[in-house]
Order: sequence, then C-alpha cells, then structure tokens
Amino acid sequence: TQLLEQSPQFLSIQEGENLTVYCNSSSVFSSLQWYRQEPGEGPVLLVTVVTGGEVKKLKRLTFQFGDARKDSSLHITAAQPGDTGLYLCAGASNYGQNFVFGPGTRLSVLP
Amino acid sequence: ETGVTQTPRHLVMGMTNKKSLKCEQHLGHNAMYWYKQSAKKPLELMFVYSLEERVENNSVPSRFSPECPNSSHLFLHLHTLQPEDSALYLCASSQAKLAGGTYNEQFFGPGTRLTVL
Repeated sequence: TQLLEQSPQFLSIQEGENLTVYCNSSSVFSSLQWYRQEPGEGPVLLVTVVTGGEVKKLKRLTFQFGDARKDSSLHITAAQPGDTGLYLCAGASNYGQNFVFGPGTRLSVLP
Repeated sequence: ETGVTQTPRHLVMGMTNKKSLKCEQHLGHNAMYWYKQSAKKPLELMFVYSLEERVENNSVPSRFSPECPNSSHLFLHLHTLQPEDSALYLCASSQAKLAGGTYNEQFFGPGTRLTVL
C-alpha cells in the first residue's frame, strides 16, 4: 500500500518568514501534485512535478521533486496571510487513475 | 473556478432522509471520484469511476450509493446516514492515462458540507 507522510502537521509563522514543508513516501510515484485547501472549499491544484530532481516555481512558492521520485518539498518565501491553508500532496501512478493523498500541513501565517 | 461544480454546497439531513449530491465536470475528463474529508483526517477515497464504470469502491457502507450516468456527471445517493457521516464530500475528475501516457492531474469541486442530525 502506498502511503504519503507530510511534515510538519501544523505550522504557525509570522508574515514575512520563510518556510518549508515536506512530503515523503517509501514508494515511487510517476508524478506528484501539491494542493492548497481553504476551509470549506475543495483543494486547488498548485503544481504537478514529474521528473526526478525537478524544481518548479510559482511566484513565491518553490516545489522540488526528489531525485528518486519518492519525496517532495514546498518552500514559501516571505509568507503572507493569504498563504494560510491546508497544503496537501498527492502521488499518482503512471497507470490507471488512483491517487494517494498525504494528511496535509496546516499553515497559519499571522499578520 | 476549477471546472468541477458540486451541488448543493451545504446539506443538513436527518438520519431517515434520502438525498443526493451532484457533481458535474466541464473539463472533458474520463474519470470521476468521490472523497470524504472529515475534521482532522486525511482525504478518504470512496469511489472511482473511469469511462463511466466503477473501478474502485473502498469498502464504503451501502448507505452511500454512487451513480455515474455519463462522463460529465456523478451522483452520490444518501440514505439512512449516521451522524458520523457528517463531513465535507468532495468530487474530483481527471483524465485517466493509458500506460506510457502523460501524467495524471486531479481537479476538485468546492465540496458539499453535509451535516447529519
């Protein structure tokens, strides 16, 4: 059974600080997605990483896929209150249509 | 707007009621999903439909009954629910790829917040 772990589980920081959250597994995934979810809403796809070692940037967010395609990190520079939310990672296999979700990191950015 | 809509957004029902949740995707995808998200618990996959056929049912109680009449619509019929079924129910869609194809991405609707009294 494929499992994804995320750390930290909770993170509360001040506006302007930098942070990194992690997504780890013992399984290899063909791709990995990062989502942000706000209370009472569905997860919104931020990025998909596919190639081992790949780095993608989305404004102040930097996503990295591990060389072995088993782990990923999300780094936020100069966090803002609008970054507050639940960050989920999800791994996908190359075949079929199944996705594995991590439990999420709940981020709170205080003004 | 992700291209996946869900109605209703909020639903309160008694344990003896029968109701249905609706999901519609406008992305041309061929796979649709129902997830349950409870407080402080990871997303739980309930059902997967690919090409309108159910391909996975993660041992969900029979009081939840899915229906996928076509590739754009997905329903979740509810009857005789329990208070512990109160949760956010999320629908998602993706374009299932054949072996060797490009990667999968899943897009979610806004969810239906269900409260069972």
